[in-house]
Amino acid sequence: AQKITQTQPGMFVQEKEAVTLDCTYDTSDQSYGLFWYKQPSSGEMIFLIYQGSYDEQNATEGRYSLNFQKARKSANLVISASQLGDSAMYFCAMREATVFTGNQFYFGTGTSLTVIP
Amino acid sequence: DVKVTQSSRYLVKRTGEKVFLECVQDMDHENMFWYRQDPGLGLRLIYFSYDVKMKEKGDIPEGYSVSREKKERFSLILESASTNQTSMYLCASKGAGGISGNTIYFGEGSWLTVV
Repeated sequence: AQKITQTQPGMFVQEKEAVTLDCTYDTSDQSYGLFWYKQPSSGEMIFLIYQGSYDEQNATEGRYSLNFQKARKSANLVISASQLGDSAMYFCAMREATVFTGNQFYFGTGTSLTVIP
Repeated sequence: DVKVTQSSRYLVKRTGEKVFLECVQDMDHENMFWYRQDPGLGLRLIYFSYDVKMKEKGDIPEGYSVSREKKERFSLILESASTNQTSMYLCASKGAGGISGNTIYFGEGSWLTVV
């Protein structure tokens, strides 16, 4: 089974609008971490935001927020006030806390976001 | 800032050649990773290393090997390159410690074309 599922291969958003990128995850661990990364066309992966499974509040970092719904196992990324520079691939990832596999990150297949002027 | 440097951004190699992809990190991280990225498949883990000379297979190790002789350097080796290994390769590193906020840091990627 897929550990991380991103069901939106491509998304479009108007500049200055908000957009939500979907991510669902699958784990039986109680302790885990959820991450979002941005990958511009240049290729580097840029860390955006982190949510721990025990964090009660949704994580926020500037214009990025993570809508964490634990019971539904979803960790959607919300980008507010989209900018042209937000056009990129976005990857959701999870790290489980089990001792043996604790250093392995699982990545989704990504969502390509295009911001339209 | 953490710096993960991949030695080659773009490579073109012939089928059957031996290929080395080098990665160096400057943060004394214990853990280093090699991923392969293909459209529609996301990132897939090839190998990771949690200490010098230690390595573990990831999801797709076939056709690859790795070397970690020094803590800061993690090399990916394609013993005999094949066209289905044409891809983008990402190196990453991470420190030891708890799960909270402990993200991995990526290099800029190496685009390998095998002809």
